[in-house]
Amino acid sequence: DAKTTQPPSMDCAEGRAANLPCNHSTISGNEYVYWYRQIHSQGPQYIIHGLKNNETNEMASLIITEDRKSSTLILPHATLRDTAVYYCIVRVGVYTDKLIFGTGTRLQVFP
Amino acid sequence: DAMVIQNPRYQVTQFGKPVTLSCSQTLNHNVMYWYQQKSSQAPKLLFHYYDKDFNNEADTPDNFQSRRPNTSFCFLDIRSPGLGDAAMYLCATSRGGQGFGYGYTFGSGTRLTVV
Repeated sequence: DAKTTQPPSMDCAEGRAANLPCNHSTISGNEYVYWYRQIHSQGPQYIIHGLKNNETNEMASLIITEDRKSSTLILPHATLRDTAVYYCIVRVGVYTDKLIFGTGTRLQVFP
Repeated sequence: DAMVIQNPRYQVTQFGKPVTLSCSQTLNHNVMYWYQQKSSQAPKLLFHYYDKDFNNEADTPDNFQSRRPNTSFCFLDIRSPGLGDAAMYLCATSRGGQGFGYGYTFGSGTRLTVV
């Protein structure tokens, strides 16, 4: 599975959009981009995933560049409860079931 | 609600004394995983069961074992815990073969302390 690079930490003001970047320059054509987050002392929680098109759900939006070498997770209106570690993971979506976590980005939302 | 339950939430064990952590699920997922997460680190996959097939990660120490007696339950056995095994242990499930990451459901974890 391709390696991902994320900034170790970011801050965001409550109510503003949080934009979390992820680089995955060695991504293959059949690899999906997944985002999970982990709030302190809880298990990781699925947020969103995509292959090549931009995706949106009730939690977030995922923007994938045309060359698929990077992506951005957008939390449109961050709240204090969004403070967590966010993991960007690239993996083959069809037959490989293992989820391998990188170092992630620690997002701190402040009042 | 369908979920993944880990018991106990906190476990204290003595150095060298075998300990078992348990995980149960009501999702009827055929794949179950165990992750180890040390303080300020990302979760690290130890092994997983795909149905009854056990799949060990190459760097998982022999001190860690697992059992899956049926679809709903999976156990993590640490034969001789050392101080370095103190960590949060996370259980997760997924519907194998479907190939989509959103199928992963994590439990709340068991925090293991070794004294």
